Amino acid sequence: DAGVIQSPRHEVTEMGQEVTLRCKPISGHDYLFWYRQTMMRGLELLIYFNNNVPIDDSGMPEDRFSAKMPNASFSTLKIQPSEPRDSAVYFCASSLWVGASGELFFGEGSRLTVL
Amino acid sequence: AQSVTQLDSQVPVFEEAPVELRCNYSSSVSVYLFWYVQYPNQGLQLLLKYLSGSTLVKGINGFEAEFNKSQTSFHLRKPSVHISDTAEYFCAVSDHSGGYQKVTFGTGTKLQVIP
Repeated sequence: DAGVIQSPRHEVTEMGQEVTLRCKPISGHDYLFWYRQTMMRGLELLIYFNNNVPIDDSGMPEDRFSAKMPNASFSTLKIQPSEPRDSAVYFCASSLWVGASGELFFGEGSRLTVL
Repeated sequence: AQSVTQLDSQVPVFEEAPVELRCNYSSSVSVYLFWYVQYPNQGLQLLLKYLSGSTLVKGINGFEAEFNKSQTSFHLRKPSVHISDTAEYFCAVSDHSGGYQKVTFGTGTKLQVIP
């Protein structure tokens, strides 16, 4: 299996622009997670999906952030408009439900820089 | 609500010396515990996990961790570290209340192995 695939790996944009990050989970996994990693806050869970349905989006910082999972093989995280404080590495992870004992498989991350 | 505390943000250790990375958790329900490792510019990958049974868990790369329920701890150890162990290590807890998997990560401990 190719693992979790994220794109783009690096994104540099200007404040106010729309940013879309993409994720392809491992085939057959029924959970998908979006995390944000910064030096100040560490690894934060933004939102997670089960069978394409958003379960908990309490970690999404504000209305500028939105996430979708239109099908089992694709998810997007969108920031509109972007701000410099959104600069971070965004990770997507997927998992196969095994009574909560399942391993999370992470992508390599998308490094976002907002100027 | 569950939480994870990693007491040390950075741990320097000489090559071939032993190391212990500390992790404490809190949760109102039964949990599963994990250690993940993140090498530079990569996503996280699983080192080991505790689900049930023996409180001493062995993982990859010679790491092991011990679950201590009375102290709510899950410390990670390695008897002799290598330069290649230089990375950031994350403790994580997962509970299965409500039937959904939600994983909470600690703030991470950066292990620096000194030649």
